Amino acid sequence: EADIYQTPRYLVIGTGKKITLECSQTMGHDKMYWYQQDPGMELHLIHYSYGVNSTEKGDLSSESTVSRIRTEHFPLTLESARPSHTSQYLCASSKDTGNTIYFGEGSWLTVV
Amino acid sequence: DAKTTQPPSMDCAEGRAANLPCNHSTISGNEYVYWYRQIHSQGPQYIIHGLKNNETNEMASLIITEDRKSSTLILPHATLRDTAVYYCIVRVWIDNNDMRFGAGTRLTVKP
Repeated sequence: EADIYQTPRYLVIGTGKKITLECSQTMGHDKMYWYQQDPGMELHLIHYSYGVNSTEKGDLSSESTVSRIRTEHFPLTLESARPSHTSQYLCASSKDTGNTIYFGEGSWLTVV
Repeated sequence: DAKTTQPPSMDCAEGRAANLPCNHSTISGNEYVYWYRQIHSQGPQYIIHGLKNNETNEMASLIITEDRKSSTLILPHATLRDTAVYYCIVRVWIDNNDMRFGAGTRLTVKP
């Protein structure tokens, strides 16, 4: 079983609010990722990190930002939430070598 | 990454083997075949991977053709809990790029 945790699992928030989705892994993985997925649609990478102080943007443009101050922690922040941000956000991690990616259970965000 | 092609959906009877195909005709010699699945509303789950030999683990078997241009994921005795979207991905072992998931195959296991 993968040791990667996301909080909150479900969040309903008003437009304009700032939110932070938390992601932590206890496997010592260097690489971490954030994917966004609308119901029934494909996964889209929005951010990834090779390690501490590394952050990169993924394929899908996102207004969210990420930080990687500690190896185990990769939070995602939306400064001003909008209804278009309503989606499921999935955090993942992998070892520096190899490509087995472990996913968290996801955070469902609804902006009203 | 080599492009993969999977059927959009498949059905399988409970208790029977589910055989999920994947075409990767442009695969290069150092690219592995990975399979993940995503059960509704959950994060994707790693299943198995292989380079050129057939592989088996407690979840599934992976059969890769000799020319490596296609592969088949086999769930030997499908259960209702195996209903999910299955993704076939081709990547080199050490790849600093992100892993991209396509549309996958939606497998429905029916009673």
